[in-house]
Amino acid sequence: DTAVSQTPKYLVTQMGNDKSIKCEQNLGHDTMYWYKQDSKKFLKIMFSYNNKELIINETVPNRFSPKSPDKAHLNLHINSLELGDSAVYFCASSQQTSGQETQYFGPGTRLLVL
Amino acid sequence: KNEVEQSPQNLTAQEGEFITINCSYSVGISALHWLQQHPGGGIVSLFMLSSGKKKHGRLIATINIQEKHSSLHITASHPRDSAVYICAVPSNFGNEKLTFGTGTRLTIIP
Repeated sequence: DTAVSQTPKYLVTQMGNDKSIKCEQNLGHDTMYWYKQDSKKFLKIMFSYNNKELIINETVPNRFSPKSPDKAHLNLHINSLELGDSAVYFCASSQQTSGQETQYFGPGTRLLVL
Repeated sequence: KNEVEQSPQNLTAQEGEFITINCSYSVGISALHWLQQHPGGGIVSLFMLSSGKKKHGRLIATINIQEKHSSLHITASHPRDSAVYICAVPSNFGNEKLTFGTGTRLTIIP
């Protein structure tokens, strides 16, 4: 069984479209994260949720809106996609919000905006 | 903000060689993470340590809190160790927000 899963794995879309990426974890963790990895392979936190509550909201454009319907799911909706949104988006989870917790990563969603 | 620097950025070695990857950070931390990103893109957590040394198979991670420095060692390196190795630290003591290093791309030649 996959611990942290994301769908879709690949997403190719036109500028201006709206798209969603879904993430699910079956580890029973309380905390989930979204990370963005740019073309230079640099990872950066976007959001984190603890038990459906937003904990971290980095300086991310308002076009990005996370939604956590329950603690096992954290979805990412992106409005009005721009070329610069092309990246790999990773979902992750950990037992708690402490920086001392091991994080488990999903396989990533490769987004290409044309 | 905690700055994280890794060295080297790229490392190519022959199979069997002993590998060392370094990570330095600027602000006191509660723990440091080492991650491995496979050529296919998947990310796996290797270690989380707050003091001393941890070992898992051929991988060893050490940390010196006073010097704000950590190393990841690979003994008897193998081509399957080829990957990007990333260290990450919490931005503030006790905060879960991780700041990542730029990664070290390791290539092991048979």
